[in-house]
Amino acid sequence: AQRVTQPEKLLSVFKGAPVELKCNYSYSGSPELFWYVQYSRQRLQLLLRHISRESIKGFTADLNKGETSFHLKKPFAQEEDSAMYYCALRTGTALIFGKGTTLSVSS
Amino acid sequence: DTAVSQTPKYLVTQMGNDKSIKCEQNLGHDTMYWYKQDSKKFLKIMFSYNNKELIINETVPNRFSPKSPDKAHLNLHINSLELGDSAVYFCASSPREPSTGANVLTFGAGSRLTVL
Repeated sequence: AQRVTQPEKLLSVFKGAPVELKCNYSYSGSPELFWYVQYSRQRLQLLLRHISRESIKGFTADLNKGETSFHLKKPFAQEEDSAMYYCALRTGTALIFGKGTTLSVSS
Repeated sequence: DTAVSQTPKYLVTQMGNDKSIKCEQNLGHDTMYWYKQDSKKFLKIMFSYNNKELIINETVPNRFSPKSPDKAHLNLHINSLELGDSAVYFCASSPREPSTGANVLTFGAGSRLTVL
């Protein structure tokens, strides 16, 4: 079955601490994975995708096919990173999303 | 010049009523989607249209009927509204493959539907 799992509903860290938002997937084909972010009062937007292999706002994510994971990482969290983060998997012509993780960064 | 716009932003209505949510994109994308975000913030695909043709129809009650008059519009009509339909409905669009942006969704701001 096609599935995206984000085990943490809420992740609270202090400013400057490292962040890792976990994402695991289940997919029989070749996966294409994304992280989307929804800041307060803003619309959902793409943060990064695994095929781009880029760092956006200090965030990176590496696709690990052996562990079927696509964890989102940032070495030093900032208060402006506080948001809802969704991991997404492309299946056919649509994306399926995990249940989301709320990241709260406090000073 | 909003890329994906939805109207209305808020909709409060009584059970049993019929309502529509409109979506328009000015990005020239071929594919459009409707997603439902429930009270727990879970996002679930409802429909996908590619150039006015229905591609995906997840297990959504047939009270929900999408309509795409042209590839820039995808409206969602809901009949006989129920309490469980209360949610935020997001419209999105994406370019078609082999565009480099294929599968990258641009979302609308959402339409919050409250059924009383």
